[in-house]
Amino acid sequence: GQNIDQPTEMTATEGAIVQINCTYQTSGFNGLFWYQQHAGEAPTFLSYNVLDGLEEKGRFSSFLSRSKGYSYLLLKELQMKDSASYLCAVTDSNYQLIWGAGTKLIIKP
Amino acid sequence: ETGVTQTPRHLVMGMTNKKSLKCEQHLGHNAMYWYKQSAKKPLELMFVYNFKEQTENNSVPSRFSPECPNSSHLFLHLHTLQPEDSALYLCASSQARGEDSYNEQFFGPGTRLTVL
Repeated sequence: GQNIDQPTEMTATEGAIVQINCTYQTSGFNGLFWYQQHAGEAPTFLSYNVLDGLEEKGRFSSFLSRSKGYSYLLLKELQMKDSASYLCAVTDSNYQLIWGAGTKLIIKP
Repeated sequence: ETGVTQTPRHLVMGMTNKKSLKCEQHLGHNAMYWYKQSAKKPLELMFVYNFKEQTENNSVPSRFSPECPNSSHLFLHLHTLQPEDSALYLCASSQARGEDSYNEQFFGPGTRLTVL
């Protein structure tokens, strides 16, 4: 079966750095997405990785290792507004998007 | 604003009611999706429409009936639902579903459905 694993919940402090991990076992791989979802709102696109390595976009970076079936989302200089759920999703060999259950990130002052 | 709107935002219905959820996208996309989101569970893909044609139905009970009259509009008709159907229903759109690995999906805000 296809599976995406990510921690259910994480807590971090304002101004700090947090890394949210995602591991996947899918039938094929055609790219990995990270989305952010604030409570009661739509998921919004954060990043996309299809090749190994680090993609940096401001305070957010996303890393991919295809050989390990592993990705992480790195958030720097955390702000209170970063409190949200972070969803990892993988495009499989049929170009279907397989979703993780999401990681709820709680930022404390 | 993501360019995808959904109405209503909240809906409470009894098990014998019939209601419809509406989704509209203003992004010029040709693929539209219905998802169910339950607490602490992955997004569950329900239906996919590509160029107005239904291409996927992931074993969804017949009490959920989708309709896609054109590439910009998507409906989900609901009848005789069960309490376990209570969830957030999300609509999304993307470029045409095909052999393209970059299929970023744009989501609407969702309809919070409660079935009594």
